[in-house]
Amino acid sequence: GAGVSQSPSNKVTEKGKDVELRCDPISGHTALYWYRQSLGQGLEFLIYFQGNSAPDKSGLPSDRFSAERTGGSVSTLTIQRTQQEDSAVYLCASSLGQYGGAGELFFGEGSRLTVL
Amino acid sequence: AQSVTQLGSHVSVSEGALVLLRCNYSSSVPPYLFWYVQYPNQGLQLLLKYTTGATLVKGINGFEAEFKKSETSFHLTKPSAHMSDAAEYFCAVSPRNYKLTFGKGTLLTVNP
Repeated sequence: GAGVSQSPSNKVTEKGKDVELRCDPISGHTALYWYRQSLGQGLEFLIYFQGNSAPDKSGLPSDRFSAERTGGSVSTLTIQRTQQEDSAVYLCASSLGQYGGAGELFFGEGSRLTVL
Repeated sequence: AQSVTQLGSHVSVSEGALVLLRCNYSSSVPPYLFWYVQYPNQGLQLLLKYTTGATLVKGINGFEAEFKKSETSFHLTKPSAHMSDAAEYFCAVSPRNYKLTFGKGTLLTVNP
């Protein structure tokens, strides 16, 4: 497809389990972002990739969170030993160029994570 | 550092009425400013952006916003609301690099 694709769209897991969330950006977009959207909290920046490198991972909440990007394309966000406070919608976005094309991010529909 | 404050987490208007969604920002450098819209169960979509030049910017679906540096504001308006405008709206600021900082969002309800 032409847009940003995320999977799974919904994930229910038990506290303490690990989860992986996948993002397939728009072809040719070198910049990739992960944001977390919690009820009433807006969008919280997690990590930024330029190519396969992550020059800014300042938003990752703890060392249970990690992300990688391979081939300058697909990215995976991994949450280890999930906690209930990790429940949120995880949004991936991509954009052209190093400076994000003056801010035009293209977002996927998100992966809704529920930790029981 | 950048920050965004959206006044009013929920705004309700009647169909045909003026829509005004408020956004104030702080930035240590001249900013880029954006409004994004999120329809239910969808990702965010860019409505409009200010980078340089004219301070009144027009976006999709009849929305516009005016950058007022003296007031550090970037309020979003539409003269006449339509039912299809019901969505959540996010204001965002960037220090002219990759990093976008979003506000907490304003949910717009349009009543028939």
